[in-house]
Amino acid sequence: NAGVTQTPKFRILKIGQSMTLQCAQDMNHNYMYWYRQDPGMGLKLIYYSVGAGITDKGEVPNGYNVSRSTTEDFPLRLELAAPSQTSVYFCASWAAGDLYGYTFGSGTRLTVV
Amino acid sequence: AQSVAQPEDQVNVAEGNPLTVKCTYSVSGNPYLFWYVQYPNRGLQFLLKYITGDNLVKGSYGFEAEFNKSQTSFHLKKPSALVSDSALYFCAVRGPLNNDMRFGAGTRLTVKP
Repeated sequence: NAGVTQTPKFRILKIGQSMTLQCAQDMNHNYMYWYRQDPGMGLKLIYYSVGAGITDKGEVPNGYNVSRSTTEDFPLRLELAAPSQTSVYFCASWAAGDLYGYTFGSGTRLTVV
Repeated sequence: AQSVAQPEDQVNVAEGNPLTVKCTYSVSGNPYLFWYVQYPNRGLQFLLKYITGDNLVKGSYGFEAEFNKSQTSFHLKKPSALVSDSALYFCAVRGPLNNDMRFGAGTRLTVKP
């Protein structure tokens, strides 16, 4: 099993540019999440989805958008990149009733200059 | 609201000594508690969980954690630390009515030979 796959692994954006961070899982998990990790700040929840067609805001949604058209994919969109969005982004998935918590992707390191 | 506090940014121990990484939580209802470990340039990996039952839970790599309801704590422990245990450790909580998990800021554990 591939688990949770995130692409790209690294990206440098210029201020004002847009991009989509891809996340795919092959475990048929209904829940999917996007977190950002900043030094000393832990993981902050950006958006999450409890199933295809359903998304909801987390703690820090401003500047981001998501969609969930299929169970497998949960892309994160940055429309107008800002230096404050420089971070490491992690996607995670979870199956309701799975007591082992989340399965995480390996992360995308994004730098906005 | 659910939240987690990890009061120590850094924990240093000598190899062979016992280690403790502290975590306290706040949640409505009975908590689901987790510990994750992150190695450099990697995603988070599940270590152990508390859902219900025995307050002392055992996990991967010889780690264990003790759930203390009165102190709202879930400290991570290991009787004898290894240099290879050096990593970033995250505590996380999910309330029974919540669809997402909240993470602490992380504690960097360094085990010196």
